Amino acid sequence: SQQGEEDPQALSIQEGENATMNCSYKTSINNLQWYRQNSGRGLVHLILIRSNEREKHSGRLRVTLDTSKKSSSLLITASRAADTASYFCATGRSRGGGGADGLTFGKGTHLIIQP
Amino acid sequence: DGGITQSPKYLFRKEGQNVTLSCEQNLNHDAMYWYRQDPGQGLRLIYYSQIVNDFQKGDIAEGYSVSREKKESFPLTVTSAQKNPTAFYLCASTWTATNEKLFFGSGTQLSVL
Repeated sequence: SQQGEEDPQALSIQEGENATMNCSYKTSINNLQWYRQNSGRGLVHLILIRSNEREKHSGRLRVTLDTSKKSSSLLITASRAADTASYFCATGRSRGGGGADGLTFGKGTHLIIQP
Repeated sequence: DGGITQSPKYLFRKEGQNVTLSCEQNLNHDAMYWYRQDPGQGLRLIYYSQIVNDFQKGDIAEGYSVSREKKESFPLTVTSAQKNPTAFYLCASTWTATNEKLFFGSGTQLSVL
């Protein structure tokens, strides 16, 4: 089964509102990453948070990590129509998450920003 | 421009046919990956390669084959043994010995005629 699972599966909000997506995972991790995918395109890396970090910011993005609950959240503030996309969390395939053996992705949250 | 290029964007396969998807990168990355994405689903790892002339099976390797003869190139062949090949295929790359920050190509949509 997937290491990471996003919640909700779909989210529709008005432009200017904040969007929050959650991710749960099952095994120990080295880091957790969030990616964005526009329809019919490849994924784009957004932000990485390491297991010893609790919160990280990048522009309008805020990511939190709670390793005791094995969960992470991605907050997009002041949403724009261009933020409409699917958002995926990803963790390392190996227990501990190190190495270059690829990432495991959840099914994603499809975010729609209504103008 | 530095990046990762997949071709073709759309590909059609006939019954019993093998088809090859191209993936080229000029980022000087050692590690390359092939993922499969089905509608509304996450990505599943098919094969990966951490170094030239070496590759490992991912979670769904059956019916697929790869080669890594050059650092820049990691082609994926979808063989006739793959009975349900219709999917969006994504190639990615990153630096060696880390799973951090994968760079993705723009994908190939494979459909069965």
